[in-house]
Amino acid sequence: QKEVEQDPGPLSVPEGAIVSLNCTYSNSAFQYFMWYRQYSRKGPELLMYTYSSGNKEDGRFTAQVDKSSKYISLFIRDSQPSDSATYLCAIGETSGSRLTFGEGTQLTVNP
Amino acid sequence: EAEVAQSPRYKITEKSQAVAFWCDPISGHATLYWYRQILGQGPELLVQFQDESVVDDSQLPKDRFSAERLKGVDSTLKIQPAELGDSAMYLCASSFSGTSFDTQYFGPGTRLTVL
Repeated sequence: QKEVEQDPGPLSVPEGAIVSLNCTYSNSAFQYFMWYRQYSRKGPELLMYTYSSGNKEDGRFTAQVDKSSKYISLFIRDSQPSDSATYLCAIGETSGSRLTFGEGTQLTVNP
Repeated sequence: EAEVAQSPRYKITEKSQAVAFWCDPISGHATLYWYRQILGQGPELLVQFQDESVVDDSQLPKDRFSAERLKGVDSTLKIQPAELGDSAMYLCASSFSGTSFDTQYFGPGTRLTVL
């Protein structure tokens, strides 16, 4: 069993839709939760991070963590064509330690 | 804006040849990471340096892979000999200290194709 499982997609939505991206994890030692966005042929860039259960909002993006269920989500409101990318969840045990990534969800937002 | 630099961006080699990748982290970043990303998968850590010391190389195939960060600044990852299964994107990332929550900033990667 992989330590981090991510809904692989691909996901195709119309512009303006609400997008939900999800990951589950198995190791309760994980404490840091991140979402990265990766455009084609580029390195991942950090979108959001959190280390507690609950919601964290940043503009159109909301990260949600449920440690009791070992479940994390990223919601994108009012999705735009420029949001088309692969979204990777990443989880760490301690700050600065290795990140364990999900396999990524490829999102396409159609104009 | 400061960025992690990597070179080359693309490398094509034949199996059994040696290849090397270079990474220059963001200035002042003490922690440097090398990840490998196979197409359609998430990155997996190969090796982590704190300054010039290796702190995690548990997933590095040491029979063919080596990494160094001699002066605690830039780093080189080498594969010798390359195998077909090494075809992947090799990503370098850096963070400020690794001792408190630090963002890992990724470079653009080196895409390796082994023929």
